[in-house]
Amino acid sequence: GAVVSQHPSRVICKSGTSVKIECRSLDFQATTMFWYRQFPKQSLMLMATSNEGSKATYEQGVEKDKFLINHASLTLSTLTVTSAHPEDSSFYICSAPVAGENIQYFGAGTRLSVL
Amino acid sequence: SQQGEEDPQALSIQEGENATMNCSYKTSINNLQWYRQNSGRGLVHLILIRSNEREKHSGRLRVTLDTSKKSSSLLITASRAADTASYFCATDALNTDKLIFGTGTRLQVFP
Repeated sequence: GAVVSQHPSRVICKSGTSVKIECRSLDFQATTMFWYRQFPKQSLMLMATSNEGSKATYEQGVEKDKFLINHASLTLSTLTVTSAHPEDSSFYICSAPVAGENIQYFGAGTRLSVL
Repeated sequence: SQQGEEDPQALSIQEGENATMNCSYKTSINNLQWYRQNSGRGLVHLILIRSNEREKHSGRLRVTLDTSKKSSSLLITASRAADTASYFCATDALNTDKLIFGTGTRLQVFP
């Protein structure tokens, strides 16, 4: 199956700093990628749809200035959590569909801890 | 919220027993999928069932779909300790690539 790589797997940062998370499709091109947030023992909540070459589409209630998404190439999308605060601590996961398939391939996730 | 509901929230069984998880959703769909998530990891696709299908098998997995009741079930037969994970159903949002995930079932299989 297709492989999606997400980096870093874990990051600890101080409050007020910005953190960048990368999501790469390793063996396929992804014009669309998705970013999710997951709290402990809860489901995935879609934050935004990352679109190659155009602006991301954010879900209702997600601050676009807080969670900056850039999809500069067909294999890379980045999520930057700006001026992170403890309440931003969470598990962030990206996914990408392969063209012509209905299923999504997921990265391994990034656990963000803001002190 | 369009999020689907799953039950039970948690399920503990012994190896060799069958595990059944149920999913209810709210909108019309093209297909419904089941994903598995090991603790602290990403999700892995298990099986997809289309809206015009009623049942589908893949190895020890059996999925049913009842579009009139907007519900699906996932049956794992002859469970193994390695099946311990969280299981999520996901439905497609019509005319988009988005997936709407259910609340999940945490399955624990004891050896």
